[in-house]
This record gives sequence, structure tokens and C-alpha cells, in this order.
Amino acid sequence: EAQVTQNPRYLITVTGKKLTVTCSQNMNHEYMSWYRQDPGLGLRQIYYSMNVEVTDKGDVPEGYKVSRKEKRNFPLILESPSPNQTSLYFCASSLRDRGDNEQFFGPGTRLTVL
Amino acid sequence: AQSVAQPEDQVNVAEGNPLTVKCTYSVSGNPYLFWYVQYPNRGLQFLLKYITGDNLVKGSYGFEAEFNKSQTSFHLKKPSALVSDSALYFCAVRGLLNYGGSQGNLIFGKGTKLSVKP
Repeated sequence: EAQVTQNPRYLITVTGKKLTVTCSQNMNHEYMSWYRQDPGLGLRQIYYSMNVEVTDKGDVPEGYKVSRKEKRNFPLILESPSPNQTSLYFCASSLRDRGDNEQFFGPGTRLTVL
Repeated sequence: AQSVAQPEDQVNVAEGNPLTVKCTYSVSGNPYLFWYVQYPNRGLQFLLKYITGDNLVKGSYGFEAEFNKSQTSFHLKKPSALVSDSALYFCAVRGLLNYGGSQGNLIFGKGTKLSVKP
């Protein structure tokens, strides 16, 4: 089954404790992206990757890091999480970064930082 | 700057009635427009898109959307709503970063909660 998977689905952590949210897709997609969803703000892009070893900042990159060492994986790293990073996070992928390609989304990771 | 607006936080419809979820946009160049749906505790699912061609686009689950260039709108419609259509709907747009340049990133609206009552 073609899908985007994220782990963990739920995470409660404390301020300053480094964490990684994994994202993997099995569709051989070149383009991958991370979003955060907050009430009343919709989805905002954190980072994106157009291909292996090619990443760039989205609209809200502060406090996050990413890497793209393999085509299928695009982990999101929070080096020192803070309470304002409490949010619902989605990973997405698409075939290429052409404007007309729809994105496929993972199930989401709900992160709470205390 | 590119932007997309969904003016209604919530739309309430009775089952069997037609529904409309509104979306307006602002981009440079010709827009690529999308609708996504999010069911509770799920990720977003693609519904339909407008790239070029006919202004009326048909998508999944009986939904359709009409692209109106003069009004810069891309409203989502369905002739007869179902209770199972109740979900959060997002409009999204991509336009040129600068005129004649590369595509910008996908910009999402804030979402509209659709509630269909039996």
C-alpha cells in the first residue's frame, strides 16, 4: 500500500530534551515536506526537500532541523524543544516539486512539550 | 505575497442539501489550486485540483470546485451533502515566486469545518 508513515504518533516530552520524528514514504517520491498544524492557523511549512541531500527552509523553520540522506526518509529533529513547538505535525511527499502534483500526507504526530 | 483565504470557520448543512465551502486566493502568475480534506485524527487527503483547462473540476467523493479567475476564487461544492462529509477542509494554492520564476511552496488556508446534520 502506498503510504507515508510517521513515528511516533503521539509524544509528550519536556523542554530541552532532543527528539526526532521519523517520516518514511514508499512511493519513490522526490519531494518531501514537514508541516505543523495549529488551530486557526492552518498548515504551515517547516522544511522541505526536493531530493536527497537537498533541503530548504519553509515558513516556520526556527527550532527545527531536517536531513535527507535517503530518498524515502525525511526525519524532523527538535534539538531543544520548547512549549511553543507543541503542535500537530504532518509529513508529506509528492512525485516531484512540480506545482501541479498533489501531496500525500502522513497520519500526523501530536507533540506536547511541557 | 501569496495567500489563500477561507472566510468561514464553519459551515453547517443539512444532509441532502447542497454545500459550498469558499476559498479565495492571491498569487503571482497562474495559480495551481487544491482542496484537501482532513477527517478526525487523520492526515490530509487530496480531493481535487485545478491546473489549467475547464474551470469546473471534479474530484473524489462527488466533490467539485469552480475556478473563477476574475473573482480569484476556487469554491468547493457538492450537490447533496452526506453526514460522512463532515470534516475539516483546506484550500491550498501554489503560484510563481516571481513572475516567470519557479513555483512557490504550497500555501494552505486556515481550514473550514464542515458539519452535516442528518
